[in-house]
Amino acid sequence: EVQLVESGGGLVQPGRSLRLSCAASGFTFDDYVMHWVRQAPGKGLEWVAGISWNSGNIDYSDSVKGRFTISRDNAKNSLYLQMNSLRAEDTALYFCARYIEVTGTGGYSYFDHWGQGTLVTVSS
Amino acid sequence: SSELTQGPAVSVALGQTVTITCQGGSLRRYYASWYQQKPGQAPVLVIYGKNNRPSGIPDRFSGSRSGITASLTITGAQAEDEADYYCNSRDTSGNPSWVFGGGTKLTVL
Repeated sequence: EVQLVESGGGLVQPGRSLRLSCAASGFTFDDYVMHWVRQAPGKGLEWVAGISWNSGNIDYSDSVKGRFTISRDNAKNSLYLQMNSLRAEDTALYFCARYIEVTGTGGYSYFDHWGQGTLVTVSS
Repeated sequence: SSELTQGPAVSVALGQTVTITCQGGSLRRYYASWYQQKPGQAPVLVIYGKNNRPSGIPDRFSGSRSGITASLTITGAQAEDEADYYCNSRDTSGNPSWVFGGGTKLTVL
């Protein structure tokens, strides 16, 4: 059974840092691209960052570029999100998600498994 | 960045059919995926690709696309289908990124 378990959330002051982790099990972790998606309280889903299986391709949303760093340790089956210079608007439930993309004509992509999320609250 | 536009809310009588739509320029190139989210829970994939359902998703859920509009249809809605539904696709503007619609709250009456 695929499992994704996030941890590391909490209350942090504006301008400070926090590191989130996502422990993966039930599948071959280094076969998959992984992403972080967040959801502010009462709001919709927002894509944050994604990382390829070998960390060779990394992408960020404009809202976190330059402040957040996504990484992975395939030996530990773990995904990370280092969040620096946190702002009140970063307050959200952060999900890690497994990603699948089928390329070519008629290609498509999707997030097939999600963790339960870890809550980050940025407040003084 | 590109946007995906969803209506904020829709209701359906128990057992009837409802369609939730998602509009955006990226959908002309990419199929949308659809996620169901119930309060306090993580999103669950319900439709991906042209019209594919993950294992365990009832066949009353189906997807389609026409031009820049993707649609999720629930045929014979059940009480347990009451949830928020989000569409998602690759973003076609600028650097690689992904975009979600704002979500549609489905109420089953």
